[in-house]
Order: sequence, then structure tokens, then C-alpha cells
Amino acid sequence: DAGVIQSPRHEVTEMGQEVTLRCKLISGHNSLFWYRQTMMRGLELLIYFNNNVPIDDSGMPEDRFSAKMPNASFSTLKIQPSEPRDSAVYFCASTSEGGEKLFFGSGTQLSVL
Amino acid sequence: QKEVEQDPGPLSVPEGAIVSLNCTYSNSAFQYFMWYRQYSRKGPELLMYTYSSGNKEDGRFTAQVDKSSKYISLFIRDSQPSDSATYLCALPGMNRDDKIIFGKGTRLHILP
Repeated sequence: DAGVIQSPRHEVTEMGQEVTLRCKLISGHNSLFWYRQTMMRGLELLIYFNNNVPIDDSGMPEDRFSAKMPNASFSTLKIQPSEPRDSAVYFCASTSEGGEKLFFGSGTQLSVL
Repeated sequence: QKEVEQDPGPLSVPEGAIVSLNCTYSNSAFQYFMWYRQYSRKGPELLMYTYSSGNKEDGRFTAQVDKSSKYISLFIRDSQPSDSATYLCALPGMNRDDKIIFGKGTRLHILP
């Protein structure tokens, strides 16, 4: 079992650029969560999907953030345009329906200069 | 009042000591309690969970819940340097589509 796979592991970009983070779910899982982690705010849920359908996107900071799940095993989180305050570690996690144990990827460390 | 409060630390203890990590929560309806462990540059992973008040043991780890005080604890006996990590308490939402609420995490350093 390869686990949840995120790419890239690190991303350094300049303010105003578009950033795309990628996530591959564990095979058989059908719920997908995007989190952002900072020292100040801890782990914050941005959005989650059940069976490719967004269920709750109330944590998405603003319209600059968008997330898609084009198929059952893959998701992207896009920030356009990026700002320095978006700098954080972004995690995705997956679980099976009804499961409460989240399996996290290793995260993407995003730095916006 | 935040739903889950957790002291961020850092907490430094010598190897072999007993460690106590704690969270308080505000919603008395929570019935299920989890602890996640997060190593540096890794995602959190589920360490323990418990449904009820009282203690649950798993090796050197004990999860304790006091629902009357809305207080949850994680104890680590005979702490090892490999236990150095951030520990996050987590409480699932009440309804099927509710999100899991995480504490901010406590950074723990076990000194050899």
C-alpha cells in the first residue's frame, strides 16, 4: 500500500504565481480532505470530498483557492494568484466512507516569496 | 471559546520519564476521541482512539477521557527519543458530514 501521495514535496514561488498541489488517494478510499497547517493556526480543514463531490468548502480562505477531484483517485488544490500569507504545509488525507481514521500524505511545503 | 484547546509546548522531558499531554474541549456531545502523532516533515498518523470515559492502554501509551471535566489526556510511559513528535488531539464532528476538529498539537522532545 503506497499510502496517500502528494506532490510536489516543496514548492517555492513568487507572489502572484499560480500554484497547483496534487494528491493521489489510497486505492479504495472515497473521501478526500485538504488541510493547511501553520504554527499559528494549527491544522485547518480547507475542503473535503465524498465520492468526488465537494461536501464542505467553508474552510477555503477565499476565491483564490480552488480544489477539484477529476476522478476517484486524484485531486488538485490550486491557488491563483498566490500570496505570501499562503505559505504553509498543505496536507491531503483520505479515508473510506464512514471511516474516521484519516490517512495523511507527507504534505507540500509551500513558500510564497 | 475554541472547540478544542491544546498547549503547543514545546515540552522537553528526559528519556524514561512519564509524559502527560492534554486537551480540553467545549462541546459535551463529543463521544469519540482520538490522538494523532506527527513526526517532523510527515503527515499526522492515528495513534489511539477511545469512545468512552476512563482509560485505554496500548503498550506504553494510555488515553484517558474525563467527560465530566471535558478533558482528555495521553500518557506515555518509559518515554523514548523516538517518541519526539507533535501530538494532536482530534474530535470527530457529531454528524456524518461534520469535520474532525484537531487541536493545534503539542511538540514533545524526549532528551536522551
